[in-house]
Order: sequence, then C-alpha cells, then structure tokens
Amino acid sequence: KAGVTQTPRYLIKTRGQQVTLSCSPISGHRSVSWYQQTPGQGLQFLFEYFSETQRNKGNFPGRFSGRQFSNSRSEMNVSTLELGDSALYLCASGTGTSGANVLTFGAGSRLTVL
Amino acid sequence: GENVEQHPSTLSVQEGDSAVIKCTYSDSASNYFPWYKQELGKRPQLIIDIRSNVGEKKDQRIAVTLNKTAKHFSLHITETQPEDSAVYFCAARGETSYDKVIFGPGTSLSVIP
Repeated sequence: KAGVTQTPRYLIKTRGQQVTLSCSPISGHRSVSWYQQTPGQGLQFLFEYFSETQRNKGNFPGRFSGRQFSNSRSEMNVSTLELGDSALYLCASGTGTSGANVLTFGAGSRLTVL
Repeated sequence: GENVEQHPSTLSVQEGDSAVIKCTYSDSASNYFPWYKQELGKRPQLIIDIRSNVGEKKDQRIAVTLNKTAKHFSLHITETQPEDSAVYFCAARGETSYDKVIFGPGTSLSVIP
C-alpha cells in the first residue's frame, strides 16, 4: 500500500511569509502527527489530528497551526515565518488507537527561511 | 507532560562490538516504548518496540529492555555492522489513544569498520 506522502519536499521562504505543508497518510489511518526536526533538537512534537480534530498539541507558538480533512489528509501552516522555523517538518501516520501506536513517517518537507 | 531523556548523544563502536543506548521517561503512565532509526537523509523508521507488560524483547541483533520501576529502557545492538550507523530515537507514549508519542533527543551511532 502507498506510504505517507508529504508535499512539497523542499521550499524556500523569506521572513514574514507563510507556508502550508501537506501530508497524506496511509490509507485507513486516521491519525496524523506533525514533528519539527532540527539538528540537535531531535523530533519536537507539534500536534496530532484524528478524525478532523486536533487531539494533542505541543509547545509551539500560535503561528503554527494545522487541520485535517475528511479524507484524513492533513495540512500544517506556519505564519509570519522566522529564521528559526527553518527545519525538516515530518508528518507521521498512525491508527491513532490506544496502546501500541506505530508511526510511519513521510519523507518530510524541508523548509528554509531566509 | 512527558519528557524523554536519552544517552549518550553520540556513540562510536568498532564493527562487531555491541552498542547500548539508554532512555528515561518521566510519566509513570507511559506504557509503549518504540525505537526509531533514522539514516542520513532518510525518514525515521520503527525498528523495535516494547509494551509495559514485557521486560525484554528481541529481534535478531537488536533487543530492548524495560524497567518500569526505574522508568528507563534501553536498546541493545549486538555484532554491530556499518549499516547500523544512524541516529536512533527512543520514544514513550501513554496508554490512551489521546496520548502523544514523545521522542528523546536522539543518539548518533557510528560503527567503525
């Protein structure tokens, strides 16, 4: 079956702009989690969406937002970009059920803010 | 909220030797502990996981041990090979479907041929 698809793979923006990233999960998966990965900071949890509802949120400012559509595809948006937002943004698809929740990651969207 | 610490941050071993990575977690309600491997330029992939009702789990050359009392768990890789070189992330998750998966900061493992 198809894996997790993230678009775009690479993008360059300037400070103050906004960006929207997309993630299509594995067919049948209802949970999409977003992580920010920067060198030395590991995988920082942004938020999780399940059945179109934000179920969890990490410690990021309100400039970071997301949503999920009825087909489970998810988007995240970052407004008023800052240099520090440069990172690899990974989404992870999961069943979203209790217990073992195996995450399958997409290839990521690498954002560079100039 | 849950916090996961991981040590060491970098690890170099000779090919054929063993490697051990240790993690601690803060939330005693956590009951699911996966390990992910991320090779350079690639996405993280699950390599092994363990649930709190099990103390140890093995899969060929890798094993994970869990000590719920001490709130720590470890990844053991035996007979290391150059292809084991990668960044390894431990993670923890609570019992309910509402619990998020929180990752440790990662360990960069280098296996020297």
